[in-house]
Amino acid sequence: GESVGLHLPTLSVQEGDNSIINCAYSNSASDYFIWYKQESGKGPQFIIDIRSNMDKRQGQRVTVLLNKTVKHLSLQIAATQPGDSAVYFCAENMGSGGSNYKLTFGKGTLLTVNP
Amino acid sequence: DVKVTQSSRYLVKRTGEKVFLECVQDMDHENMFWYRQDPGLGLRLIYFSYDVKMKEKGDIPEGYSVSREKKERFSLILESASTNQTSMYLCASRPQTGGSYEQYFGPGTRLTVT
Repeated sequence: GESVGLHLPTLSVQEGDNSIINCAYSNSASDYFIWYKQESGKGPQFIIDIRSNMDKRQGQRVTVLLNKTVKHLSLQIAATQPGDSAVYFCAENMGSGGSNYKLTFGKGTLLTVNP
Repeated sequence: DVKVTQSSRYLVKRTGEKVFLECVQDMDHENMFWYRQDPGLGLRLIYFSYDVKMKEKGDIPEGYSVSREKKERFSLILESASTNQTSMYLCASRPQTGGSYEQYFGPGTRLTVT
């Protein structure tokens, strides 16, 4: 899994499988979390976000789970497709614990989907 | 759709040169950000601006400065480029208000300093 502060992990899955990308955060004051996808040669693109008053949020083929007890965030991608191959970043906003403008990013997880 | 554009996709400069990276957004966003991205280090915030002529240092401001004279444009300046500033530079913007902290990113500028 990924943590804000560690080297880039990798995840390799078969097309059609479900993918789970993990992220640990260290600041218990963080009240907002976001997942980005970055394809090769492009800027990061928003996937899904979640506030700390929720523990689950679903989008199209993606689900974000938040476990505040252990400060853990995960992104689940259903029926992974080759187009999902990218680096995935989690980011947190520390709310009243930090600047409202800033996101602190993790180092990313490289997802490779094998056809 | 929000559009954030960066003046160059690829740039090669020599050590000691002054380098300008330009970023323009078309959605009237108050907040703008400059990050650098290096393998295994993720995105690190260099500077951000919460409004015209306002700026605040991020986590790694050394060797950089910024300019925000107009709301839509945020410039990153490398006063004297060094080889350790070879990196991917990403610009982002977001509105001041609204329920989301989502930042909208440009495509990036890959800078090589030789």
